[in-house]
Amino acid sequence: TQLLEQSPQFLSIQEGENLTVYCNSSSVFSSLQWYRQEPGEGPVLLVTVVTGGEVKKLKRLTFQFGDARKDSSLHITAAQPGDTGLYLCAPAVTGTASKLTFGTGTRLQVTL
Amino acid sequence: NAGVTQTPKFQVLKTGQSMTLQCAQDMNHNSMYWYRQDPGMGLRLIYYSASEGTTDKGEVPNGYNVSRLNKREFSLRLESAAPSQTSVYFCASSDLSRAGYTFGSGTRLTVV
Repeated sequence: TQLLEQSPQFLSIQEGENLTVYCNSSSVFSSLQWYRQEPGEGPVLLVTVVTGGEVKKLKRLTFQFGDARKDSSLHITAAQPGDTGLYLCAPAVTGTASKLTFGTGTRLQVTL
Repeated sequence: NAGVTQTPKFQVLKTGQSMTLQCAQDMNHNSMYWYRQDPGMGLRLIYYSASEGTTDKGEVPNGYNVSRLNKREFSLRLESAAPSQTSVYFCASSDLSRAGYTFGSGTRLTVV
């Protein structure tokens, strides 16, 4: 089982602030995914990063895959209350189902 | 709407009772998964099914059994519920592409 560690575990910020959360592993991944889980719902896929050094933007969210494909970061610019939720990273499951598991998650609270 | 449907949404059991959590997907995905999520923790894999007719243990399979009834349906059974099984259970499916997992909205189970 490949272990993914996310940091920080909890983050409470005010609307308008910027933040970065991290997903780290000692393993190399072919690709990695970020999910957001809102309270009372299941996780929803935000993005898949594939190439080392790749940067993807989704409105105010910027995702980066490390050059060595062992880590990734998510940067949120000008956070809004709608960004509140649990952010999870996971190796992309492709080809064959396996025990690939999710990171521990970062719980983000954005207040007015 | 296409997706993953879980039933029931809420359940309270007494210690020692049994029950089956149902999951169905209509996206023609081959692989299906059961996770549990405890307060302050990420998702932990209980069992998964790579394809119809196959099932494999995840991280935390003790106390659970699964059945992949057909390509659409993957059920999770608790034979003798224990308070330690109080959790939110999520079912997910995937076509093993970079489209990622699609999750249901969860079953909130309390064992008293």
